[in-house]
This record gives sequence, C-alpha cells and structure tokens, in this order.
Amino acid sequence: EVHLVESGGGLVQPGGSLRLSCAASAFIFSRYDMHWVRQVTGKGLEWVSGIGTAGETYYGGAVRGRFTTSRENAKNSLFLQMDSLRAGDTAVYYCARMNPHRGLEYWGQGTLVTVSS
Amino acid sequence: DIQLTQSPSSLSASVGDRVTITCRASQSISSCLNWYQQKPGKAPKLLIYATSSLQGEVPSRFSGSGSGTDFTLTISSLHPEDFATYYCQQSCGALEWTFGQGTKVEIK
Repeated sequence: EVHLVESGGGLVQPGGSLRLSCAASAFIFSRYDMHWVRQVTGKGLEWVSGIGTAGETYYGGAVRGRFTTSRENAKNSLFLQMDSLRAGDTAVYYCARMNPHRGLEYWGQGTLVTVSS
Repeated sequence: DIQLTQSPSSLSASVGDRVTITCRASQSISSCLNWYQQKPGKAPKLLIYATSSLQGEVPSRFSGSGSGTDFTLTISSLHPEDFATYYCQQSCGALEWTFGQGTKVEIK
C-alpha cells in the first residue's frame, strides 16, 4: 500500500528556516510527480509546490523565492526547504503523489509548522 | 494565476438529498479540474480527477461534469459519511495550481 510520511515540522521563529521531509514507500518514487499542499487550521487548502520526475519545480506565489522543493529518488524522499518563514506560513503541510491525470491521489498525514516568536 | 470560486461556501442537507456544488474558474481550464473530500483531522481524499473520472473505489453516487470555466460536483443521494468539506482544484499547466475555498456539507 502506498504510504507517505511527513516529518520535520515544529516551532520556528519568524525569519527562521525549517526543512520538511516526506518518506515514500510501496511505489516507484522516481516515476511520480510529487507536491506539497498546506492548510491553516480551520481554513482551506493551499497548493505550495510541485516537483516533476526530472526535478523541475513549481511554486505558489506565496512561497516562491523562499521555499525550495527537492527530491532524492535513491532514498524515496521528498523535501521542502522553507526559509524566511513568516507567521502566515503556519499550517499543516502535506505531501502528496500526483496521478497520471494530475490529481493528488495519495496524501501523507501532514506535519504541523508553527512560526511564532 | 487562475482563481477558483466555489459555491455555496456551505450547505445543509439531509441524508438522501441530491447535492450539487459548483466551481468556477477565472479563465478556461479545459478539463483540468479535480475534486477532493476532507473530513476533520484527516488528509484530503481525491474523489474525481479530470472533471469527471471517478478515483479508485469512490462510490458512483459522486459525479463530476463541466468544461472550460464551469464545473459541478454532484452527490446523487447523500449518505451519512458524505458530510465533509469539498474542494475543487485546477491542475492545468505546470506553473501554479489552485484550490477553491471549499464547500462544507453539513447535516440539516
């Protein structure tokens, strides 16, 4: 069964950095585009970033220039490097696998990032 | 970037009711429209991709339609487990995806 597990969330001060990881299992990781989606508690979903199989990356306007997505296929892992963090980045961050028809078909359980002094 | 507007933002319905949620895009997105269901404390679940294709074992009471800028999610007969929040999402192009603001389906 496909499994995605996020880690690395926590409390960080404004202006700080954090690196999230997403460990994938039970599928050939290198063959799939992967995405990050976040959700402020009690609010809607916000697409953050995506990375293609060739390593090409895409970002939402709110994080472009501050966040960097990468992947390490040999370790079945996805990463989100978050720099210059702001209070507005406080959210649960999910990683998700994209299906061939560009829907996000598998999701992790999420990891909470809190940006506060 | 492409904006998605869902309506209504919330609705109250009874078990057995037919429910329709609409999603309007700020520009044409062909058929690149997906629908998700989310329950409290859980990750979203993909229901429908590419406007009208049912994901995996999603029950057939769920259906999607539309093209261009106007799309709908229909639940033909509401079941107790369908009370949740529903989001549309566009995946046209690679540069930037967006979600609608969500529609909460509550028990009347």
